[in-house]
Order: sequence, then structure tokens, then C-alpha cells
Amino acid sequence: AQSVTQPDIHITVSEGASLELRCNYSYGATPYLFWYVQSPGQGLQLLLKYFSGDTLVQGIKGFEAEFKRSQSSFNLRKPSVHWSDAAEYFCAVESGNTPLVFGKGTRLSVIA
Amino acid sequence: DTGVSQNPRHKITKRGQNVTFRCDPISEHNRLYWYRQTLGQGPEFLTYFQNEAQLEKSRLLSDRFSAERPKGSFSTLEIQRTEQGDSAMYLCASSPGRALAGHNYGYTFGSGTRLTVV
Repeated sequence: AQSVTQPDIHITVSEGASLELRCNYSYGATPYLFWYVQSPGQGLQLLLKYFSGDTLVQGIKGFEAEFKRSQSSFNLRKPSVHWSDAAEYFCAVESGNTPLVFGKGTRLSVIA
Repeated sequence: DTGVSQNPRHKITKRGQNVTFRCDPISEHNRLYWYRQTLGQGPEFLTYFQNEAQLEKSRLLSDRFSAERPKGSFSTLEIQRTEQGDSAMYLCASSPGRALAGHNYGYTFGSGTRLTVV
């Protein structure tokens, strides 16, 4: 069955430290890959997406993600985290005609 | 265009009552999606439309749920005989067709309607 796995439910990092949020998927073909961020009580904001081409994609707010076909992964990274990055992060995958499927999310806390 | 708009933002209802939510998508987008999100979970797909045609419904969409998109523009999601388990955030999203959009393709989400059934 198609699935998206975010292994880390909650991550805490210090402000200024680097961040990596993991995402793995199980789909037959190369899907369309997305990362969204959600602040409490808010909708989902698109951070970045990958369709094809260069496997390292840049997004908004200084985030980037790397598609690794061999590992079926699309991990999100940021070199230096700001306190305002504290939120819930969702990896999502679309394949063929199947609408977007989301992972369960990773909650990011940022400490001083 | 100001994005995807959802109304109301919040709805509190008594168990057994019917509720209806509205979603206004981005006008150029021909696809419209409904998702449900409970606390601590990712959004779960409910149903989607291409223009006015409802193309897919999740098993999550029981017979108490019905969605419409009568003229291919706005959509409504109705829940009949609400239950406490229906309490969730209901998210609407829209997207253009993938082939035409190219690298601009993606889903734009509204701010959601938070339903509380008491």
C-alpha cells in the first residue's frame, strides 16, 4: 500500500542549530513530493516540492530537501533554525491519480 | 485572487445536528479536495472534484457525509447526524491540472474549519 512515513514524532533543537526532518515513502514510480508547515490552528503552507530534475530543491524560509531515489526518502533540512520555525511539518506524496497522501507529521520545538 | 477560503472558521454543534461547510477555491483551479485532520495527525483525504465531477471518495467518507461542487466553483461538505468522532479540522485545497501547470503545480490549502461536536 502507498504510504508516507515520518519516523520522528517530535524533535527539539536549539536556536541556530541545524535541522533534518526525515520522510520515507513507498510508491512504485517516482512520485511528486512536498513538504508543508502548519502553525497551531492554521492551514498548511507549502515549503517546497520536487517533481523531477535536480534532486536538491530549495524552498521558502531557508529550507531545502533532497530526493534520494535509492532510499525512497525526501528529507527536509535547514542549516540554522530560528525560533519562528517551531511548528508541525508534514511530508506529502502524490503518485499517479492518487490525491496527496500525508505523513503523520513531525512537531518541531525550538529552544533558546 | 486571495487563495482558498473556508467558512466558517469554527463550528460548535450538538451531537445529532447537521452541519455544512463551504470552500471557495482559487478560481483558475479545476480540482478541489477535502481533507480531515484530527489532533496530532496528518490530514486524511476525504474526497475530490475535478470541475463539478466527484472523482474519488475515501472509505472515511461515511454515508453521513456528502460533498458537492455544483457549478465547478465553490464546494460544500455536509455532515448529517454529527457524532463526537466527527470533531476535527476540515481542510479544503485546490489545484490546477498537473499537465498545464507544469512546475507551478501544487495544492493550495485553506485555513480550515474546526468542528467541535458536543
